[in-house]
Amino acid sequence: QVHLVESGGGVVQPGRSLRLSCAASGFTFSIFGMHWVRQAPGKGLEWVAVMDNDGPNKYYGESVRGRFTISRDNSKNTLYLDMNNLRADDTAVYYCARSANRAPDQWGQGTLVTVSS
Amino acid sequence: DIVMTQTPLSLSVTPGQPASISCRSSQSLLYSNGYNYLDWYLQRPGQSPQLLIYLGSHRASGVPDRFSASDSGTDFTLTISRVEAEDVGVYYCIQALQTPYTFGQGTKLEIK
Repeated sequence: QVHLVESGGGVVQPGRSLRLSCAASGFTFSIFGMHWVRQAPGKGLEWVAVMDNDGPNKYYGESVRGRFTISRDNSKNTLYLDMNNLRADDTAVYYCARSANRAPDQWGQGTLVTVSS
Repeated sequence: DIVMTQTPLSLSVTPGQPASISCRSSQSLLYSNGYNYLDWYLQRPGQSPQLLIYLGSHRASGVPDRFSASDSGTDFTLTISRVEAEDVGVYYCIQALQTPYTFGQGTKLEIK
């Protein structure tokens, strides 16, 4: 059974940085691409980033490009999202999701990031 | 970027009645392999999204057969043949043909 557990969320001041983690289990992590998707309070889903199974190909949404970095450690079955220069409009629940046929298929429960002074 | 437009944004359905949601893309989602890179999700209240349909019209594992979808390059429709109480939530489409991947605005389904 696929299990994805996000962590690292919390309250952070504007302009600061935060690292999110996603621990994966129940499947062979190293052969799947992985996504980050976010959802601002009361809003719809926004795709954030994706990377392939072994690292070289990474793509980002326009609102986070240049500030966020997706990475992974296949030896630890863990996906990361490094978020720099955070803004108030980055406040959201951040989901990690496994990639199948390019799109997310299995999702974690999410971790809340609040950017506020 | 590819723009995804869902209609309606909300609908109220009597249990046992059908429901349809449309998703239109600003350009064709048909790839050279013959598949449309369009998926559908349901996000129930307080839960994470779950995959319903992948590659335009393929039902995901465990999804009831009352859910079906049609695809035609730029026009996509999710149909629930007989709505049940557990179908309440927000439905989203996503295009995965090219990055940045983009979601529709969401369609909120409620029960009358």
